[in-house]
Amino acid sequence: EADIYQTPRYLVIGTGKKITLECSQTMGHDKMYWYQQDPGMELHLIHYSYGVNSTEKGDLSSESTVSRIRTEHFPLTLESARPSHTSQYLCASSGRGGHQETQYFGPGTRLLVL
Amino acid sequence: AQKVTQAQTEISVVEKEDVTLDCVYETRDTTYYLFWYKQPPSGELVFLIRRNSFDEQNEISGRYSWNFQKSTSSFNFTITASQVVDSAVYFCALSGNTGGFKTIFGAGTRLFVKA
Repeated sequence: EADIYQTPRYLVIGTGKKITLECSQTMGHDKMYWYQQDPGMELHLIHYSYGVNSTEKGDLSSESTVSRIRTEHFPLTLESARPSHTSQYLCASSGRGGHQETQYFGPGTRLLVL
Repeated sequence: AQKVTQAQTEISVVEKEDVTLDCVYETRDTTYYLFWYKQPPSGELVFLIRRNSFDEQNEISGRYSWNFQKSTSSFNFTITASQVVDSAVYFCALSGNTGGFKTIFGAGTRLFVKA
């Protein structure tokens, strides 16, 4: 089972601010993902990475960007937050051993943009 | 194209009732994996089970059981003797070799268990 961490857990911020949501995992997984989800609703994949220096956009267009400089770290950045970015952001990882396809999720970051 | 359908948007039961959450999938892949996740009010998605397309054995874990039927492309989840703590949103998901095993999630079923 993966250990995956997200900070902050909750963030309230004003419009126009730059924010970075942190995601780290300690299991050496090569694949990492960011999902956007309104609580209890569908998950939308916004970014994924299959390894260091590899990032791809997901199925849902997002104004956020990501980087993957280290295997364990996959931060997501919003250059200028807007109220439409208010949502929950879930980070996940997968890719080691016999259960490579199983994604393990962090606790999520709930973002409120005023 | 791959697709996961959870037709039940919300289910409400009384404690100790059995409840089945339906999941129907579509895929052309010969190798694929099916999952169930639980999302309690805290928001974290908790992995419950993974099955691969070559293993149609049903599985039981405590009060939870899963019925995988390739003939009907279904992977249903039953909770026996439901408890209030089972209240959550449950997601069924599919991952196949087409598309590099990206995971496709269903829309989720919200389960309310009343005391």
